[in-house]
Amino acid sequence: AQKITQTQPGMFVQEKEAVTLDCTYDTSDPSYGLFWYKQPSSGEMIFLIYQGSYDQQNATEGRYSLNFQKARKSANLVISASQLGDSAMYFCAMRDFYNNAGNMLTFGGGTRLMVKP
Amino acid sequence: DTEVTQTPKHLVMGMTNKKSLKCEQHMGHRAMYWYKQKAKKPPELMFVYSYEKLSINESVPSRFSPECPNSSLLNLHLHALQPEDSALYLCASSQDWGNYGYTFGSGTRLTVV
Repeated sequence: AQKITQTQPGMFVQEKEAVTLDCTYDTSDPSYGLFWYKQPSSGEMIFLIYQGSYDQQNATEGRYSLNFQKARKSANLVISASQLGDSAMYFCAMRDFYNNAGNMLTFGGGTRLMVKP
Repeated sequence: DTEVTQTPKHLVMGMTNKKSLKCEQHMGHRAMYWYKQKAKKPPELMFVYSYEKLSINESVPSRFSPECPNSSLLNLHLHALQPEDSALYLCASSQDWGNYGYTFGSGTRLTVV
């Protein structure tokens, strides 16, 4: 079974500063995908960034980058130049192939990020 | 069209009511999902439809009944729910296999009274 762990229930960051949200995972599958989602209070899950287990480069999407350390099984999200609109819940998730019946996302417990002006 | 549309956005229902949640996507995705999310918790998978067939049922009580009428639509029929079923219900879609992103709808906030 796969497991995703986010050890920071809540974090504060000053506006315009960078912040790192931690995510560690556990899997025995050689092929897997890691995702980060943002969930504002409205409830929608917004896709931020994806990292495949065979990707050689760390993924980047605008102000978001993923610090992928495969040997440590960590996939930390780095947000540069934080904005007030970044205040939200952030989930790390892993794609899991379910007994060849399809695939699903398994989520970590989430980190609530609060950006201070 | 890169959206997953869920209706209604909010729903209040009594324990004896029958209601349905609706989810629609026009991205050609062949896998669709229902997730349940309690407050301050991560989403938990309920059902997966792959090519319009139910492929995963995560031991969900029978008072939740999914339906996939076609490749663009996913319904969740609700009957005789309990107050503890109050939650945010999220629909998502994706390409069936591979390293593809999942697109989520904005969810239906369900309150059972």
